[in-house]
Amino acid sequence: GQNIDQPTEMTATEGAIVQINCTYQTSGFNGLFWYQQHAGEAPTFLSYNVLDGLEEKGRFSSFLSRSKGYSYLLLKELQMKDSASYLCAVVDSNYQLIWGAGTKLIIKP
Amino acid sequence: DAMVIQNPRYQVTQFGKPVTLSCSQTLNHNVMYWYQQKSSQAPKLLFHYYDKDFNNEADTPDNFQSRRPNTSFCFLDIRSPGLGDAAMYLCATSSGEGDASNQPQHFGDGTRLSIL
Repeated sequence: GQNIDQPTEMTATEGAIVQINCTYQTSGFNGLFWYQQHAGEAPTFLSYNVLDGLEEKGRFSSFLSRSKGYSYLLLKELQMKDSASYLCAVVDSNYQLIWGAGTKLIIKP
Repeated sequence: DAMVIQNPRYQVTQFGKPVTLSCSQTLNHNVMYWYQQKSSQAPKLLFHYYDKDFNNEADTPDNFQSRRPNTSFCFLDIRSPGLGDAAMYLCATSSGEGDASNQPQHFGDGTRLSIL
């Protein structure tokens, strides 16, 4: 079967750095997305990785290791508005998007 | 500028009473998706259209139907809603051109469906 694993919930402090991990077992791999979803709202696109390594985009960075079936999303200089769920999604060999259940990130002052 | 628009944001219906959710897009994307998402769960793909080509997920109940009359619009029909169908319903689009693997999906704000 296909599986995406993320921690259910994480807590961090405003101004700090947090790393949200995602591991996957899928039938093939054609890329990995990270989405942000605020409560009661739709997911919004954050990043896409298909090659190993780190992609940096402002305060957010995403890392991929295909050999380990592993990715992380790194959020720096946390702000209260970063409180949201972060969903990892993998494109499998059929170009289907396999979604994780998301990690709820709680930011404390 | 809203690019994927879902109406209504909140929908209440009675047990067993048919309901239709709508989605429109101004992106001129080929692919449109309908997802069901329950609290703290991953979005669950119900079906998608590549242009007019309809693709139903194997585990989507027969109770759920979809129509795409043109590129811009897509509808989700729930013929006889049950209590278990209460959820957020998300419409999304993607370009569908070129390399499909790196195209992010663009979501509407969703319709939260409640069943009385």
